[in-house]
Amino acid sequence: DVKVTQSSRYLVKRTGEKVFLECVQDMDHENMFWYRQDPGLGLRLIYFSYDVKMKEKGDIPEGYSVSREKKERFSLILESASTNQTSMYLCASSLPGLSYEQYFGPGTRLTVT
Amino acid sequence: QQPVQSPQAVILREGEDAVINCSSSKALYSVHWYRQKHGEAPVFLMILLKGGEQKGHDKISASFNEKKQQSSLYLTASQLSYSGTYFCGTVDMRFGAGTRLTVKP
Repeated sequence: DVKVTQSSRYLVKRTGEKVFLECVQDMDHENMFWYRQDPGLGLRLIYFSYDVKMKEKGDIPEGYSVSREKKERFSLILESASTNQTSMYLCASSLPGLSYEQYFGPGTRLTVT
Repeated sequence: QQPVQSPQAVILREGEDAVINCSSSKALYSVHWYRQKHGEAPVFLMILLKGGEQKGHDKISASFNEKKQQSSLYLTASQLSYSGTYFCGTVDMRFGAGTRLTVKP
């Protein structure tokens, strides 16, 4: 079974802090994705990566950056957390050419106060 | 532009049927469907490709009409386990806002 794990289920940070959200997958997938999920808005793509050290912006990259130094790990970074970044963050991975079949992690619920 | 789903929510009794619709203002080349149970990660159900082929997953099936730029998910004889939020997605990784399905005994 594909397993996608995220470093924390719940996280509380203060405005202005730098926040790191980690995602690890164990199926050797090339593709990895970061989404945020908000009520009434569904899943919105923040960034994705097709390979190590490669990244592409999604629909809402502002205020975020990513890092992919190893194939299995994809990190989402909030450079200076703001209250409007309070959300559920979901990481996913997939095989190349099969980006529609994504395996999601359990999510990190981030609260910025 | 995210696809638009309807209805936003639906409540059923066990054994009843439901239809969830997904439409896009942009050309659709494929549509994929996910289900997310409360507190869990979204799980891939199926993908619909150009050609109108109907796919199935247990008693859940779907159709895709690329001319109308829409897809529909059909849940037949619903079970309690069908409860959750259903999302449609497009090839460029845009998802609808979701349809919350509640099946009651």
